[in-house]
Amino acid sequence: EAGVVQSPRYKIIEKKQPVAFWCNPISGHNTLYWYRQNLGQGPELLIRYENEEAVDDSQLPKDRFSAERLKGVDSTLKIQPAELGDSAVYLCASSPSGATDTQYFGPGTRLTVL
Amino acid sequence: EDQVTQSPEALRLQEGESSSLNCSYTVSGLRGLFWYRQDPGKGPEFLFTLYSAGEEKEKERLKATLTKKESFLHITAPKPEDSATYLCAVQAGDSWGKLQFGAGTQVVVTP
Repeated sequence: EAGVVQSPRYKIIEKKQPVAFWCNPISGHNTLYWYRQNLGQGPELLIRYENEEAVDDSQLPKDRFSAERLKGVDSTLKIQPAELGDSAVYLCASSPSGATDTQYFGPGTRLTVL
Repeated sequence: EDQVTQSPEALRLQEGESSSLNCSYTVSGLRGLFWYRQDPGKGPEFLFTLYSAGEEKEKERLKATLTKKESFLHITAPKPEDSATYLCAVQAGDSWGKLQFGAGTQVVVTP
């Protein structure tokens, strides 16, 4: 079974530029998560989707971050404009359904903002 | 506020030298405690879920245990391939779906 797929794996941009990350969850997983992981830290939740609905976006910096999950499958996380402090690894995870299920993570996208 | 603290931050072991990692937590109503392994440049890989105090789970050379305040990940007779960062995360009763992670313990096992 294929795992969570993310692209790109690496991205280097200048500050103030836009950037987008894409995630394809494990087939059949209704719940999708976006996390941000700073160097030397554990991941921090940005947003959680149940199918197409964003049910927890309380940690998402809404002034510059946006996310969507059209048709309840793939998801895109966007930053516009990017700031130096956004440099981190952005991880996507999915779980079958329900909040207590195990979350399975993708390989992440390493963003560097110059 | 929910908190997860892992210790030590880093651990260097000789192959075959058993040791334990600690994960201390304060959370309102624990739904589950999760252990993940993360290799450099990769996403976290699920290892165990523990739900109640006294519970234990094993996988190869790893054994996870849970009390009301902390969890331990015991590594028995480690091999170099056990080198990784081990992350602990908790899911609280009032944080539906949200995992609160610790900063991790970086383990290096030398031959």
